[in-house]
Amino acid sequence: AQSVAQPEDQVNVAEGNPLTVKCTYSVSGNPYLFWYVQYPNRGLQFLLKYITGDNLVKGSYGFEAEFNKSQTSFHLKKPSALVSDSALYFCAVRDSGGYNKLIFGAGTRLAVHP
Amino acid sequence: DAGVTQSPTHLIKTRGQQVTLRCSPISGHKSVSWYQQVLGQGPQFIFQYYEKEERGRGNFPDRFSARQFPNYSSELNVNALLLGDSALYLCASRSGTLVSYEQYFGPGTRLTVT
Repeated sequence: AQSVAQPEDQVNVAEGNPLTVKCTYSVSGNPYLFWYVQYPNRGLQFLLKYITGDNLVKGSYGFEAEFNKSQTSFHLKKPSALVSDSALYFCAVRDSGGYNKLIFGAGTRLAVHP
Repeated sequence: DAGVTQSPTHLIKTRGQQVTLRCSPISGHKSVSWYQQVLGQGPQFIFQYYEKEERGRGNFPDRFSARQFPNYSSELNVNALLLGDSALYLCASRSGTLVSYEQYFGPGTRLTVT
């Protein structure tokens, strides 16, 4: 079965420090991977995607993600965290069943402390 | 450009009632998907529509139905509401071209069933 795992319910980081939010996936075929962010009482905002090509993909608001095929991981990173980055982050993989269904992880709450 | 819009923002219904949620995709986008996000979980796929045809259905009961109109807007209907239907319902649009995979989400409709 296709799935996404986000092993950390919450990640705490000090402002200015680098941050990593972890994601591993299980999918048949080539993975199409996505990161979204959700602020309180808001919908999901698209951050970045990996379809093919370079393993390091850059996205919105200074975020980037590293695709690692051997470890089936797609970790979200940012070199210097901001307090305003505090939000709920979701990793998702496109279902390989032939249409664009997204399978989401349970989410990781990022808390950036001043 | 306007993003995905959804109405209403909030809704309170009683068990057994019926509800209709509405979504307008980003201009030019032909594909609309619906997701259910229960508190504390990642979004779960309900339906995908493309060019007014259902292209995918998630693991939801027949009480859930949807349709897409000629202007690509969409409605999600839920009949015989249960307490467990309380959730944030998210609509997402995608352009539908072969090279576009990311979905853009609306702010959601918060449904509370009492």
